[in-house]
Amino acid sequence: ETGVTQSPTHLIKTRGQQVTLRCSSQSGHNTVSWYQQALGQGPQFIFQYYREEENGRGNFPPRFSGLQFPNYSSELNVNALELDDSALYLCASSLRSATGQETQYFGPGTRLLVL
Amino acid sequence: GQNIDQPTEMTATEGAIVQINCTYQTSGFNGLFWYQQHAGEAPTFLSYNVLDGLEEKGRFSSFLSRSKGYSYLLLKELQMKDSASYLCAVREQQAGTALIFGKGTTLSVSS
Repeated sequence: ETGVTQSPTHLIKTRGQQVTLRCSSQSGHNTVSWYQQALGQGPQFIFQYYREEENGRGNFPPRFSGLQFPNYSSELNVNALELDDSALYLCASSLRSATGQETQYFGPGTRLLVL
Repeated sequence: GQNIDQPTEMTATEGAIVQINCTYQTSGFNGLFWYQQHAGEAPTFLSYNVLDGLEEKGRFSSFLSRSKGYSYLLLKELQMKDSASYLCAVREQQAGTALIFGKGTTLSVSS
């Protein structure tokens, strides 16, 4: 158990809809990263939040957006859903150090199916 | 840009030793991680290397050679529960603290 929780565990949406996924970080962690994992692939970095500010973004379109709240919980929002958005969405929390040497701990993920 | 390569699949028997290799090409290296992921579950942290050499943690060890862009994960005394996907991930300096993952190696352990 990593102490990172995500909701919902599973979700079914249709093309064009919008979805919000939620993540609660491990206690004491101030950084959250979101990843998309397609079947049979490794996780792909979407973006990262540190102290409520976006702190890096992968190669994902603007319809993928996020928020981090003062309690360091986080949301991932995806607008105008496409079939290819079907994947496991993972959040990972970490404690940012001065050297940037930190370990990310993953939540159980939300499996999204877009029909 | 970055490129991380690992074998797609490996098989081994209970009690054996298996080595999973990972090669990487990055524009700036700031650490390499190994994660274990059972089917349908989240990745679980196994090991972290930022300096050259071997890090040992129980039955699992991880090795890094920065000059060769190479790492391996060594699993000893294999158990059936070690059947999982093993993900190699690199942290690049330019990417902040984001991780760049390989596609993973699916290890099947048989009796």
